Parts: sequence; C-alpha cells; structure tokens
Amino acid sequence: ELKVEQNPLFLSMQEGKNYTIYCNYSTTSDRLYWYRQDPGKSLESLFVLLSNGAVKQEGRLMASLDTKARLSTLHITAAVHDLSATYFCAVYYDKIIFGKGTRLHILP
Amino acid sequence: DVKVTQSSRYLVKRTGEKVFLECVQDMDHENMFWYRQDPGLGLRLIYFSYDVKMKEKGDIPEGYSVSREKKERFSLILESASTNQTSMYLCASRLTFTEAFFGQGTRLTVV
Repeated sequence: ELKVEQNPLFLSMQEGKNYTIYCNYSTTSDRLYWYRQDPGKSLESLFVLLSNGAVKQEGRLMASLDTKARLSTLHITAAVHDLSATYFCAVYYDKIIFGKGTRLHILP
Repeated sequence: DVKVTQSSRYLVKRTGEKVFLECVQDMDHENMFWYRQDPGLGLRLIYFSYDVKMKEKGDIPEGYSVSREKKERFSLILESASTNQTSMYLCASRLTFTEAFFGQGTRLTVV
C-alpha cells in the first residue's frame, strides 16, 4: 500500500526559529513535490524534487530528497509569520499520493 | 500560466440530489484528478483520468462517479448526495511526470 507520512502534523513556533518537517513514503519513487496551502485557498506548488540528493531552496525554505531512505525534508530557516500555512508533500506514482499536511503556525 | 478552473467556489445541495462538479484546464494536460479534503485527513483521491474517456478509481470512489468526454474537462458526479459528502473538493491536472496544478476548490455542503 502506498503511504506518505508527514510529521509533525501541527507545529507552532516562534519567529526567528529553525525547524524541519519530515515526509516519509513507503514505496520507491524518485519524484516528490512540496505544496503550500493558505487557509481557504487551494494548493500552490513550492518545490519539485526529481532525484536522489536533490536540494531546492527558495527564501527561507529548503527542501531535500533522499530516495534511498524514502525521506524528504522541508527546512524552515529563521521563520517569519508569512510562512504560516499548511505544507503538504506528495509522492508521484501513477497517481499522486499526499501526506496529511503539516499545519505551521508562526507566532510573532 | 496553467489555469484549472472549478465551476463553483461554494455549493449547497440537499440530501439525495445529484450533484455535478466541473473542472476545466487550459493546458492540454493528459492527467486529471479529483480529491476531497477534510480536516485531519488531508487530501484523499477520489478518481483520476489519464485521457479522454478513461478513468481510474482512487482511494475513496464510493458514492462518486466521473466523466471525461473532452480532454480539458473532468466532471465529478455525486449520484445521490449525502451529508458525509460535505467537504472541500479539489481538482488537479498535470502532464505525465510533472507537478500538478490545482483549481481553487469547491466547498460543498449537503444539508
């Protein structure tokens, strides 16, 4: 069975702190995506990770992929309030399997 | 820019009604998907389609059907709406192996 597990599911953190969201998946795939969802809005693509060791960075967010460990991480550096949102990882097979999402709340 | 458009943002229907949710994409994508999103459950795949007139069941197809008569349009049908189908419905499309693009979502309430 294809499974994608994210943790934590909820994260409340102070501005200026660093933290990492983890995404584990059950079956080999070399394609992983991170999405952001703001309250009441749809999903917006953040990162596309296509190979083992891939690392992508945009602003305070950095995503990486380890296909051997079946693990992706989304690292937040010096968090700011604007990054408050729900973050989903998704693994692509013939269909797209999503994690349950990590609701990130950054306190000013 | 890719555009995926869902026909309604908000919809209120009565129990037992037949409900149609429409999704149109403008980028000639082969693959289209319907998800429902519920608090604490994330996104669950209802149906997907690789091409015109093709459809595959996702993880929770019960109570739903789909139609894809044209490449750009993928319809989700609730044959007889029930209150447990109250949810946010998200449509997505993509080329094979590329990222998916999502519509704005339809919040359906069944009363």
